[in-house]
Amino acid sequence: QVQLVESGGGVVQPGRSLRLSCAASGFTFRSNAMHWVRQAPGKGLEWVAFISYDGDKKDYTESVKGRFTISRDNSNNTLYLQMSSLRAEDTAVYYCAKAKFGSSSWFDYWGLGTLVTVSS
Amino acid sequence: EIVLTQSPDTLSLSPGERATLSCRASQSVSSTLLAWYQQKPGQAPRLLIYGASSRATGIPDRFSGSGSGTDFTLTIDRLEPEDFAVYYCQQYGSSPPYTFGQGTKLEIK
Repeated sequence: QVQLVESGGGVVQPGRSLRLSCAASGFTFRSNAMHWVRQAPGKGLEWVAFISYDGDKKDYTESVKGRFTISRDNSNNTLYLQMSSLRAEDTAVYYCAKAKFGSSSWFDYWGLGTLVTVSS
Repeated sequence: EIVLTQSPDTLSLSPGERATLSCRASQSVSSTLLAWYQQKPGQAPRLLIYGASSRATGIPDRFSGSGSGTDFTLTIDRLEPEDFAVYYCQQYGSSPPYTFGQGTKLEIK
């Protein structure tokens, strides 16, 4: 069965960096686009970043452009989110989500998330 | 950017009743590009409906989606205790961002 397991979250000071990972299994990882979605404490869902199946296409929500970088390692079935210049407003649970197909498809599986807390 | 507005913010119903949740878009959304998710406390979101009206694998048939253009609806017939959760609509068009509605909390009356 499909499994997505995020890791790498923790407490980090403002301005510092953090890298999240998402280990995928149970499907052909190299065939599907992937996303990162975040949820601030007590708030709704916010899409963060997208990457195509081959890593050639990437996109980001406006508030993280220039600070976050999404990438993937198809040989190790792993998705990444490199976060730099972190701000308090980046505090959230970060979920990786699998796209059913490519860029215009729904998110059919989600991981359990990893909590990032940006605080001094 | 397409903004999705869900209503109501909170819906209080009893088990066995029917729930009707609304999602309104700021501009027309292709019905093939609208999804609904369920999220329970401390859990990841779960896909319920895609393409506005197609149920995801394993989703009971008491869940149904409808709508087109700017108005979409999630209907849950004969509410079960496990259906009380937060529900989000989402558009996943070809142009990011992939926006979500703010959510509707379905609570037990």
